[in-house]
Amino acid sequence: QVQLVESGGGLVKPGGSLRLSCAASGFTFSDSYMSWIRQAPGKGLQWVSYISSSGSTTYFADSVKGRFTISRDNAKNSLSLQMNSLRAEDTAVYYCATTRWFGTLLYFFDYWGQGTLVTVSS
Amino acid sequence: EIVLTQSPGTLSLSPGERATLSCRASQSVSSSYLAWYQQKPGQAPRLLIYGASSGATGIPDRFSGSGSGTDFTLTITRLEPEDSAVYYCQQYGSSPLTFGGGTKVEIK
Repeated sequence: QVQLVESGGGLVKPGGSLRLSCAASGFTFSDSYMSWIRQAPGKGLQWVSYISSSGSTTYFADSVKGRFTISRDNAKNSLSLQMNSLRAEDTAVYYCATTRWFGTLLYFFDYWGQGTLVTVSS
Repeated sequence: EIVLTQSPGTLSLSPGERATLSCRASQSVSSSYLAWYQQKPGQAPRLLIYGASSGATGIPDRFSGSGSGTDFTLTITRLEPEDSAVYYCQQYGSSPLTFGGGTKVEIK
């Protein structure tokens, strides 16, 4: 069955960096589009970033553009999110998810990992 | 940007009852590209419905979706205790994709 396991979350100071990882299994990762979605404590869902199956195409929400980078290693069935210049408003649980593509910036999310908490605080 | 408004905010019902959740869009959702997710406390969201009415893999047929244009509905027939959760709608017909604020379903 599809399994997505995130790791790498933790407490970081404003302006700091953190790298999240997502280990995938149970499906053909190299054929799958992937995304990161986040959820601030007690709040709703916000799409963060998308990457195509080959890794050649990436998109970001305006709120993280220029600060976050998404990448993947299809040989290792792994997805990553490099987060730089972190702000308090980036505090959230970050989920990786398989993604059904319907157009640029138009997707829904089939399977989700359990999430990893990122806290940005001094 | 399409704003999705979900109502009611909270729904409190007894087991066996029928739940009707609403998702209203500020503009028409192209091609009925609307999805519903269930999120139980402390868990990740789970896809229930996509394309407004297509059930995702493994979802009980107690969950059904309907609607088009600006008005969409998630119906849960015969509520069970494990249906206690927050339900989110999401549109993917117009960029940027957006989520609704959620409806909490409580089982009495």
